Amino acid sequence: DMQLTQSPSFLSASVGDRVTFTCRASQGISSSLAWYQQKPGKAPKLLISAASTLQSGVPSRFSGSGSGTEFTLTISSLQPEDFATYYCQQLNTYLPLTFGGGTKVEIK
Amino acid sequence: QLQLQESGPGLVKPSETLSLTCTVSGGSINSGIYYWGWIRQPPGKGLEWIGNIYYSGSTYYNPSLKSRVTISIDTSKNRFSLRLNSVTAADTAVYYCADRPATSGAFDVWGQGTMVTVSS
Repeated sequence: DMQLTQSPSFLSASVGDRVTFTCRASQGISSSLAWYQQKPGKAPKLLISAASTLQSGVPSRFSGSGSGTEFTLTISSLQPEDFATYYCQQLNTYLPLTFGGGTKVEIK
Repeated sequence: QLQLQESGPGLVKPSETLSLTCTVSGGSINSGIYYWGWIRQPPGKGLEWIGNIYYSGSTYYNPSLKSRVTISIDTSKNRFSLRLNSVTAADTAVYYCADRPATSGAFDVWGQGTMVTVSS
């Protein structure tokens, strides 16, 4: 079974901090990974596709990297509106489109 | 601007069938540009992909749900639907529909979601 493991599951940080979280795939998926941001009571919002392609309108403080089995999402300077839960999803269509368990970012 | 809207009963009895519809506006469901998908999220938990459908009717389901899921498409009404049979309390969740451009593969436009509770 395809699994995505996100770490940490919870992160406490301050405005202005640089934060990085990880998504590890149980099988190699090349660059077939997306990152989403979800705020309470809202639908997820696509931030990054193809591991590092920033979606139109997403601030440049967000960046993604990685390939194969290890991926990272970095926020270079955390803003108040960035406190949310972040999910990765694998996009290889030969596998189930699995989501990771999420990383919740809260205010320190 | 593509918009998606889920609709359907908010309460389903155990062992019955959950049926939801996603109406697409601002674009054609049979353009061939998008796949159309369903994702759910149990209260306080993470996201679970349910399945996708293409305008041609070809489907791809999460293996863990495949035996109970049917996704269909109605191009004349610009909408697609989800049926999940033999539901239990574990199927209680917010259900989202979303589009998935064939180029990027990610779900880039989502509906607002609809809460479905399985309870007698």
